[in-house]
Amino acid sequence: QQQVRQSSQSLTVWEGETAILNCSYENSAFDYFPWYQQFPGEGPALLIAIRSVSDKKEDGRFTIFFNKREKNLSLHIKDSQPGDSATYFCAASAPSGSWQLIFGSGTQLTVMP
Amino acid sequence: EAAVTQSPRNKVTVTGGNVTLSCRQTNSHNYMYWYRQDTGHGLRLIHYSYGAGNLQIGDVPDGYKATRTTQEDFFLLLELASPSQTSLYFCASREDRGNERLFFGHGTKLSVL
Repeated sequence: QQQVRQSSQSLTVWEGETAILNCSYENSAFDYFPWYQQFPGEGPALLIAIRSVSDKKEDGRFTIFFNKREKNLSLHIKDSQPGDSATYFCAASAPSGSWQLIFGSGTQLTVMP
Repeated sequence: EAAVTQSPRNKVTVTGGNVTLSCRQTNSHNYMYWYRQDTGHGLRLIHYSYGAGNLQIGDVPDGYKATRTTQEDFFLLLELASPSQTSLYFCASREDRGNERLFFGHGTKLSVL
């Protein structure tokens, strides 16, 4: 049973379009939601994160939209570039003494030039 | 930028073999994690530690042991490797509670024949 679910295993967009990656979760106690970006041959790296008290977090071309009631969130990549082609992982954690980050299965984004 | 170094980068062993994956971080982070990454499953937590001599069990610990010898070094041990353990393994570190950013190594690709 996946606690964090990414609905699309892959997504292809054209350069300049907005890529939208979706994520949903089950545990109402989750309060921290990062997105990690991974290029081939490298480890994941933190891209942007949001806390459940907010409904939007923006950082340059990257924006997270968060819906606490529906238990879902999405990562929007505006003006997509070929260099954005990577695998994106949605993750979540709950405040706990034994803190753990639970990852989704990832969405492989391809931006076509 | 935090540095996490994993070795080896690639490893091939046979069923029943003994394998040790190494991870070193030089950023004085307290927390260290071992994940495995598989298509369709994302990153799954095997073991983690919040200091030298400490070990905590993750979500998929069966068949794995771990040891944290110093604050810098965290090892993952497969004493009787099986083909189901063929995977991409990532080590990560995190500074402390209140700072939820994970820093990942480049990964170790393990093949068990």
